[in-house]
Amino acid sequence: DGGITQSPKYLFRKEGQNVTLSCEQNLNHDAMYWYRQDPGQGLRLIYYSQIVNDFQKGDIAEGYSVSREKKESFPLTVTSAQKNPTAFYLCASSDRDFGYFGPGTRLLVL
Amino acid sequence: QKEVEQNSGPLSVPEGAIASLNCTYSDRGSQSFFWYRQYSGKSPELIMFIYSNGDKEDGRFTAQLNKASQYVSLLIRDSQPSDSATYLCAVTGSGGYQKVTFGTGTKLQVIP
Repeated sequence: DGGITQSPKYLFRKEGQNVTLSCEQNLNHDAMYWYRQDPGQGLRLIYYSQIVNDFQKGDIAEGYSVSREKKESFPLTVTSAQKNPTAFYLCASSDRDFGYFGPGTRLLVL
Repeated sequence: QKEVEQNSGPLSVPEGAIASLNCTYSDRGSQSFFWYRQYSGKSPELIMFIYSNGDKEDGRFTAQLNKASQYVSLLIRDSQPSDSATYLCAVTGSGGYQKVTFGTGTKLQVIP
């Protein structure tokens, strides 16, 4: 089955801790994205990557970091600098015409 | 000014009625238009796309595009309680999907 997987489904972060959210796709898409969604809010772009070994900041990149070492993978690290990380994190990938989302990771702070 | 605007709702319609969801956009160069459905606690799911002026039908869903007036709408006929969700409008320009902009979504409630 082709698609996008995200893990874990739920993630708990302790104060001062860095955590990494996984995103993998087997759709052979060049572009991948990370969005953050807060309750009752729209999608906000954190980072995106159009090609391996290249990525750009979105609207709310502060406190986050990414890597794109493989076409299939685009992990997101939430660093301790992100003071309000509690949110629903969505990974997406696209070809030129269509974009699809993974199932999401819900990050909670202990 | 928001680039893609939607009424946040909630839009309440009785079961069996037509639900009409609207979206306006600011960039006249926009080329592709998408509707995503997002159930509570789940990720968005692509349900419709439209490129040309006019109507595009898929089952109970019809997307309508009017580039001159810069709006796109989604009609849901014979609305069912299972249609209750938030509907996100997304718009792309000449850069393709990599330059997609999302609206904040309209929450639809279908009342049995």
